[in-house]
Amino acid sequence: DGGITQSPKYLFRKEGQNVTLSCEQNLNHDAMYWYRQDPGQGLRLIYYSQIVNDFQKGDIAEGYSVSREKKESFPLTVTSAQKNPTAFYLCASRGGATNEKLFFGSGTQLSVL
Amino acid sequence: GDSVTQMEGPVTLSEEAFLTINCTYTATGYPSLFWYVQYPGEGLQLLLKATKADDKGSNKGFEATYRKETTSFHLEKGSVQVSDSAVYFCALRMYSGGGADGLTFGKGTHLIIQP
Repeated sequence: DGGITQSPKYLFRKEGQNVTLSCEQNLNHDAMYWYRQDPGQGLRLIYYSQIVNDFQKGDIAEGYSVSREKKESFPLTVTSAQKNPTAFYLCASRGGATNEKLFFGSGTQLSVL
Repeated sequence: GDSVTQMEGPVTLSEEAFLTINCTYTATGYPSLFWYVQYPGEGLQLLLKATKADDKGSNKGFEATYRKETTSFHLEKGSVQVSDSAVYFCALRMYSGGGADGLTFGKGTHLIIQP
């Protein structure tokens, strides 16, 4: 079945530690996105990538980094510079410039120890 | 910038009640409008969409009509079920070519349906 897989489901970060959230899709989609979800604040865009080897900052990119070395994969690293990383992180993808539907993964809950 | 405002939750209804979740938007131009639904512990799923004024999106008994004159896209369902309990997000998308072409989301409305 085609879809987006995020892992792990739950992740814990220690002070000063970088952690990486995985996002893999087998939908052959060009565009991929990372959103952060906090209670009562909806979704905010962290980074997005419209094509392999290219990515752009979203609204809240500080303290995060990404890479897009393969079409299928768009990992997100939460660095130690992100002082408030506890949130639910959602990865999404979209196929084609005229296709407006976003497909979402099931999310990763990141918490600080 | 573009923005979406939706009614605060939680909204609690009894089974078979009529549902309305209000959504209004601000955008420079004519966006596409969406409703996404998020069940507990999961990602979002597209529920319905409308791409131009007066279009009606519908799915699973839910409906929403794109009203340009009131910049609204209210979600309605005639008879809700316990299984409709979820968080509902209204969203818009302005296709800007080379810019950020993701979605702008509202803050979400938590819907609770009691048996």
